[in-house]
Amino acid sequence: GAGVSQSPSNKVTEKGKDVELRCDPISGHTALYWYRQSLGQGLEFLIYFQGNSAPDKSGLPSDRFSAERTGGSVSTLTIQRTQQEDSAVYLCASSLERSYEQYFGPGTRLTVT
Amino acid sequence: LAKTTQPISMDSYEGQEVNITCSHNNIATNDYITWYQQFPSQGPRFIIQGYKTKVTNEVASLFIPADRKSSTLSLPRVSLSDTAVYYCLVAGGGGKLIFGQGTELSVKP
Repeated sequence: GAGVSQSPSNKVTEKGKDVELRCDPISGHTALYWYRQSLGQGLEFLIYFQGNSAPDKSGLPSDRFSAERTGGSVSTLTIQRTQQEDSAVYLCASSLERSYEQYFGPGTRLTVT
Repeated sequence: LAKTTQPISMDSYEGQEVNITCSHNNIATNDYITWYQQFPSQGPRFIIQGYKTKVTNEVASLFIPADRKSSTLSLPRVSLSDTAVYYCLVAGGGGKLIFGQGTELSVKP
C-alpha cells in the first residue's frame, strides 16, 4: 500500500519568505508527527497530532513554526519568515494510535538562502 | 523521557554478528525500548521494540536485562546494506519519539 508522502521533495527559499510543507499520512493512521533533521544531526521532534486531541506542540522551536491537520488526514507545516537556521530535512511520520512503530516519509529538504 | 546513551560509531565486517548496546538508566515503568534504522537521505525505519527479556523478528533481536537499564540490538550476519545509523529510543505513552545521536554502523567487505 501507499506509504507516507511528502511534498515538495526539495524547497529552496529566500530568507524572510514563508514556506508550506505537506504530508499525506498512511490511510487509517490516526497519529501524525513532524520532525526535522539538520545536516549530520539526529532527528528533532517538532509536533504530534493524535486524532481529535489538541496537538503536542512542545517541540516547535519558535512561534514562526505552526502546523495543522485537516480532517484527521493531511498535515501542513508552515514556517513563517524563514531563517537560514531553518535549513534542514523536514520529516513526517504516521502511526496507529499511540504506537512507537512510526512510518516515515522521504522528507522535504528545505534550503533557506 | 529517559535519556539514552549509545556508541557514536561501530565498524564490522560482512557476515559478522553486530551488537549495539544502549544505556537508559532512568527508564520508567511504562517505557518501551524501540530501535530505528536510518539510511542516508531516507527517513528512519522501525526495526524492533521490546519491554523486557528478548524479542526477535526477521531483522534483529533485542535483549533487555531484568533491570531494563540497558538494551542490546543484535544484527545477525550483517551485510554491506546494513551500513546505517541505528537509533535507540525509550518512550512511554504519547507516541512522540526523542531521537539521540544514534550509532553509525559501517560494514566493510
